[in-house]
Amino acid sequence: DVKVTQSSRYLVKRTGEKVFLECVQDMDHENMFWYRQDPGLGLRLIYFSYDVKMKEKGDIPEGYSVSREKKERFSLILESASTNQTSMYLCASTTGGDEAEKLFFGSGTQLSVL
Amino acid sequence: ILNVEQSPQSLHVQEGDSTNFTCSFPSSNFYALHWYRWETAKSPEALFVMTLNGDEKKKGRISATLNTKEGYSYLYIKGSQPEDSATYLCAPRLYNQGGKLIFGQGTELSVKP
Repeated sequence: DVKVTQSSRYLVKRTGEKVFLECVQDMDHENMFWYRQDPGLGLRLIYFSYDVKMKEKGDIPEGYSVSREKKERFSLILESASTNQTSMYLCASTTGGDEAEKLFFGSGTQLSVL
Repeated sequence: ILNVEQSPQSLHVQEGDSTNFTCSFPSSNFYALHWYRWETAKSPEALFVMTLNGDEKKKGRISATLNTKEGYSYLYIKGSQPEDSATYLCAPRLYNQGGKLIFGQGTELSVKP
């Protein structure tokens, strides 16, 4: 089974801190994604990557950056955390290239910024 | 901003009831439609990926239909069980969105024993 692992299930940080959310997948997937989930809203795409060292902005990239130095790892960085970044963050991966491809998700990181 | 609407937002049913949800999406530039189930404290997992108009897919007691011409998909659960309690997410993939999935806000299902 494909496994997508997010480093933390719960995280509490202070405003202004630099925050790293890590995601690792073990199935050699090309594509990796970071989403956030907020009550009453659908999953919103923050950033995605189609290859190592490649990144593309999603729908809500402001306040975030990403890093993909190795194929299996995709990191989401909050340069200076703010309270409006309190949210559930989900990482996902997929092989790429096929419209019928499903996403494989991690179990999420609930981030609270105080 | 593309509109993907799921209805109802939440649903409370008794064990044994059958239920259905709706996902509405823009019908132009259609590529594929995904359904995911997200149980509390777990990862969202794919139920179906549908690509053809008129497609019907089934997985146990859960089935889905797709109408790409009018832009909607129905998800049916026959004889709901407490373990079906979850949030059900739909997400179309459209050609003019660079292949990205656009998620609806989800339908939260609660099945009481």
